[in-house]
Amino acid sequence: AQSVTQPDIHITVSEGASLELRCNYSYGATPYLFWYVQSPGQGLQLLLKYFSGDTLVQGIKGFEAEFKRSQSSFNLRKPSVHWSDAAEYFCAVAPPPYGNKLVFGAGTILRVKS
Amino acid sequence: DGGITQSPKYLFRKEGQNVTLSCEQNLNHDAMYWYRQDPGQGLRLIYYSQIVNDFQKGDIAEGYSVSREKKESFPLTVTSAQKNPTAFYLCASSILNEQFFGPGTRLTVL
Repeated sequence: AQSVTQPDIHITVSEGASLELRCNYSYGATPYLFWYVQSPGQGLQLLLKYFSGDTLVQGIKGFEAEFKRSQSSFNLRKPSVHWSDAAEYFCAVAPPPYGNKLVFGAGTILRVKS
Repeated sequence: DGGITQSPKYLFRKEGQNVTLSCEQNLNHDAMYWYRQDPGQGLRLIYYSQIVNDFQKGDIAEGYSVSREKKESFPLTVTSAQKNPTAFYLCASSILNEQFFGPGTRLTVL
């Protein structure tokens, strides 16, 4: 069965500092990979996705993620964090080719200090 | 504007009562999903439907039921058989392997 691990439950960074959120998955082949963001009490918004090709993926709001097959990882990064980035971030995987059964990690709560 | 609407935003129910959560989308997506979110556990799939009049159980379907009579609508009923129904419920629809989420309904059992 697929599984997704987000090792950090909470992360606190200073505004303007760089950010990396970790995601590791367990799956027999390369799944489809996603990062979502959720503000408190709201739905999820897709930040970026990886299906195939270039392993460095650019997303919205200045985020990027790198797929590393050898490490079964898909870490999310941002060079300079803004206070508005404070939210909960979820990594998710889905088996190709349809990507319709997402399996989510437990989430990482990002706090930004000024 | 195209999107997914869920109603109500907050819902309270007494133990032993069934309750139905609404999910409507005007994105013309074929597939729709229901997830349950609990603190520290991420989202878990309850049911999904890839086409009208067809749906499949997800990982935690016990105590829930759904219907898909129209492409735009995918209501979820939380029955009295669900032992711990207090949670945040999210509906989604998808196209081209990308899922779009509604704003959610927070259900509290009193």
